[in-house]
Amino acid sequence: KQEVTQIPAALSVPEGENLVLNCSFTDSAIYNLQWFRQDPGKGLTSLLLIQSSQREQTSGRLNASLDKSSGRSTLYIAASQPGDSATYLCAVRSGNTGKLIFGQGTTLQVKP
Amino acid sequence: DTGVSQDPRHKITKRGQNVTFRCDPISEHNRLYWYRQTLGQGPEFLTYFQNEAQLEKSRLLSDRFSAERPKGSFSTLEIQRTEQGDSAMYLCASSLAPGGGNSPLHFGNGTRLTVT
Repeated sequence: KQEVTQIPAALSVPEGENLVLNCSFTDSAIYNLQWFRQDPGKGLTSLLLIQSSQREQTSGRLNASLDKSSGRSTLYIAASQPGDSATYLCAVRSGNTGKLIFGQGTTLQVKP
Repeated sequence: DTGVSQDPRHKITKRGQNVTFRCDPISEHNRLYWYRQTLGQGPEFLTYFQNEAQLEKSRLLSDRFSAERPKGSFSTLEIQRTEQGDSAMYLCASSLAPGGGNSPLHFGNGTRLTVT
């Protein structure tokens, strides 16, 4: 059974810092991995999707990497801003159904 | 394209009542998913449809829960005889289904259910 874990559960940093969020999964047979952002009381916004054949994806100040063999992904946020404060969730797709298995999320606070 | 739309945004109901939520996916998306999220946790899969066919249901989906997607467009999720443990955010997502299922899921803003 696929399990997804995110560490740390919460993170507080001063504005301008570069930071890394971690995601690990137990079954390396995945189709892809997707990172989401969730603001309080809102739905999920897709940030990056990494196919199983890819090693990384970049969008603006965000870079996500994937190491399937070790069951790990990282989300790197450069030059953090207060507007980046949110919960970040990673999710893996293990089968062809499109069903995602989510981690518990990392709640990020960027202080001005 | 206005994204995935869910209605209502919030629902407060008394224990034992029935509730129904609606989801309108992105128009060209043929897959539709329902998830449930409790406070401090990631979303948990409930069920999904490809067109009008319900192809998978989680064991989380008890007999009190039923989902439909009658014409392969919008979907409804009904909870009968609600319990306090049903209080959660119910999220809907949609995607395209090419071969391999690698298209990203797009989520709505959810329906927050509070059972008193």
